[in-house]
Amino acid sequence: EVQLVETGGGLVQPGGSLRLSCAASGFSVSDTYMSWVRQAPGKGLEWVSVIYTGGNSHSADSLEGRFTISRDSSKNILYLQMNSLRAEDTAIYYCCRGHKVIASFYFDYWGQGALVSVSS
Amino acid sequence: QSVLTQPPSVSGAPGQRVTISCTGSISNIGAGYDVHWYQQLPGIAPKLLIYGNTNRPSGVPDRFSASKSDTSASLTITGLQAEDEADYYCQSYDMNLGGVFGSGTKVTV
Repeated sequence: EVQLVETGGGLVQPGGSLRLSCAASGFSVSDTYMSWVRQAPGKGLEWVSVIYTGGNSHSADSLEGRFTISRDSSKNILYLQMNSLRAEDTAIYYCCRGHKVIASFYFDYWGQGALVSVSS
Repeated sequence: QSVLTQPPSVSGAPGQRVTISCTGSISNIGAGYDVHWYQQLPGIAPKLLIYGNTNRPSGVPDRFSASKSDTSASLTITGLQAEDEADYYCQSYDMNLGGVFGSGTKVTV
């Protein structure tokens, strides 16, 4: 059974850093695309980052290079390192398993989400 | 500001049909990238509803269908049920931005 469990969320001050983890089971994080998607309170979904099977990654330009996605294949864990956090980064962060199609990718499994609150 | 535009809300009586549009541009849907749809019930993570423009994952009722044309796509719910009351999001890929989601549509039954 596929499961994704996010940990590491919490309250952080503006300018601070936080690392989210996503423990995967039922599949290998290195065998598929993995992504982070976030949802600000009362708002819609926003794609954050993707890491491809080959190890390359791509993040939303709006993040201005502050977030880095990575994975540990030996532990089967996906990470999101978030630096220089701002109030507008406050959101639930979902870990998602991605599937590549010929033209695009989609997310067939989602974690329960981790809440990140950025406030002084 | 979402790259893919959806109506904020649609509503219908039980048994009726509702359609949600998803309008993009030549850098995403119009460039040939597939469109996918998700359902988000209140307070829980989104669930994949449609992938690859028209395909339903196992377990998704056949009252959910979707299509894609030019720079837009649509999701249709036929035979609306109370349990369909949720937020719905389209998603695609943009050649300049990467993954992109629609603005979301609240369906009220």
